[in-house]
Amino acid sequence: GQNIDQPTEMTATEGAIVQINCTYQTSGFNGLFWYQQHAGEAPTFLSYNVLDGLEEKGRFSSFLSRSKGYSYLLLKELQMKDSASYLCAVRDPWGKLQFGAGTQVVVTP
Amino acid sequence: DAGVTQSPTHLIKTRGQQVTLRCSPKSGHDTVSWYQQALGQGPQFIFQYYEEEERQRGNFPDRFSGHQFPNYSSELNVNALLLGDSALYLCASSLEGPYEQYFGPGTRLTVT
Repeated sequence: GQNIDQPTEMTATEGAIVQINCTYQTSGFNGLFWYQQHAGEAPTFLSYNVLDGLEEKGRFSSFLSRSKGYSYLLLKELQMKDSASYLCAVRDPWGKLQFGAGTQVVVTP
Repeated sequence: DAGVTQSPTHLIKTRGQQVTLRCSPKSGHDTVSWYQQALGQGPQFIFQYYEEEERQRGNFPDRFSGHQFPNYSSELNVNALLLGDSALYLCASSLEGPYEQYFGPGTRLTVT
C-alpha cells in the first residue's frame, strides 16, 4: 500500500526552530516535495529532494533518507507568517504527487 | 508571465447536477494534473493529462472526467454531484517529466 504520515499539528514560538517529520511507503519514488499552504490558498513549492541528504534554502531546509523512507522540513527563525499547513508529497516515476494530510504549524508571539 | 489560472473561483451546485472546472497552465507547461482537497486533508490526485490524453488516474469514479485541449488548457467534469464532492479542486501544471508542479488558486466547489 501507499502511505505518507506527518504530524497533525505543531506549535512553536516566533524566532524558534521547528522540524516537521514525514515518513512514507510508496510503490514508486521519484522525489519528495514540501509545499506550504495558507488557509484558503493554493500550495506553494518550498523544497525538493531526490537524493539523500540536506537541501538548504534560506530559512528552510529539507532532508531525505530514501532507505528509511523519511524526510523532514526544518523551519528556522520562525515568523508569524510561517503559520500555515506544510504538505509532504512523494512523486512517482510518472509525475503523480501523493500528499500527506499536512502539518498545521502555529507560530505564537 | 501568468501562472496557473483556474475558473471559476467559487461554485455552488445542487446534488445530482454536473459541473465543469477550467484550468490554464503556466506558460510553456504541457502537463496538467487535477487534485481534490477536502477540508483539513492533503490534495488527492484525480488524473493527469499530457498531449491531450489521460496519462494517469487516481482512485476516483468515472463520474470524474477530463479533457486537455491543443493549447494545453484543461477541463475537469464531474457528473451526478454528491455532497461529498464538496472540496477545493486544484489544478497543477508542469513540464513533462520529473519537474516541479505549480498549483493554481483552486476552485471551491460546494454541493448542497
